[in-house]
Amino acid sequence: QKEVEQDPGPLSVPEGAIVSLNCTYSNSAFQYFMWYRQYSRKGPELLMYTYSSGNKEDGRFTAQVDKSSKYISLFIRDSQPSDSATYLCAMSVGDDKIIFGKGTRLHILP
Amino acid sequence: GAGVSQSPSNKVTEKGKDVELRCDPISGHTALYWYRQSLGQGLEFLIYFQGNSAPDKSGLPSDRFSAERTGGSVSTLTIQRTQQEDSAVYLCASSLLGSGRAIRYEQYFGPGTRLTVT
Repeated sequence: QKEVEQDPGPLSVPEGAIVSLNCTYSNSAFQYFMWYRQYSRKGPELLMYTYSSGNKEDGRFTAQVDKSSKYISLFIRDSQPSDSATYLCAMSVGDDKIIFGKGTRLHILP
Repeated sequence: GAGVSQSPSNKVTEKGKDVELRCDPISGHTALYWYRQSLGQGLEFLIYFQGNSAPDKSGLPSDRFSAERTGGSVSTLTIQRTQQEDSAVYLCASSLLGSGRAIRYEQYFGPGTRLTVT
């Protein structure tokens, strides 16, 4: 079992819909959870960051962490065509090594 | 300010040749990471430099891969005797390891070097 599992998609949704992106993980020692967004032919950029369990909201984006289920989610409200990108979950136990998921390709259809 | 830069942006090389990939991190960032991204494979950690500490080389796939960081700034990833399976996008990232957790885990990525081995 890989440490971090993420469905590669692609996921296509109409503009304005709520998008749900998810990752599962196996290492219960993970404490730091991140979502990166990567546009085509660009490097990833940090979108959201969460420590331990709970929710975090930033504008149209909400990150959720459920450590009991080893499951993290990213919700995008009122999705826009500009949200079309690959979204990578990432997590760390607290040292400097970050484990990334494979990424989910998201297409927002205008 | 200037972000992380990488050169070249694209590199096509013949199997068996050596290649060097360069990364210029953000000025003042003490941590530097190299990753490899293959189609459908996500980001694969290769090597990590932090200040004057010994680098974490645990992700290097073979002894054909090596990296150095000179003067705590610019880094070069070298692949010797390239193989077709080395074809991928090589990404460099840097971060500022401060006291705040958010700062520590925000990695700033360069645009990558797309390596094609023919």
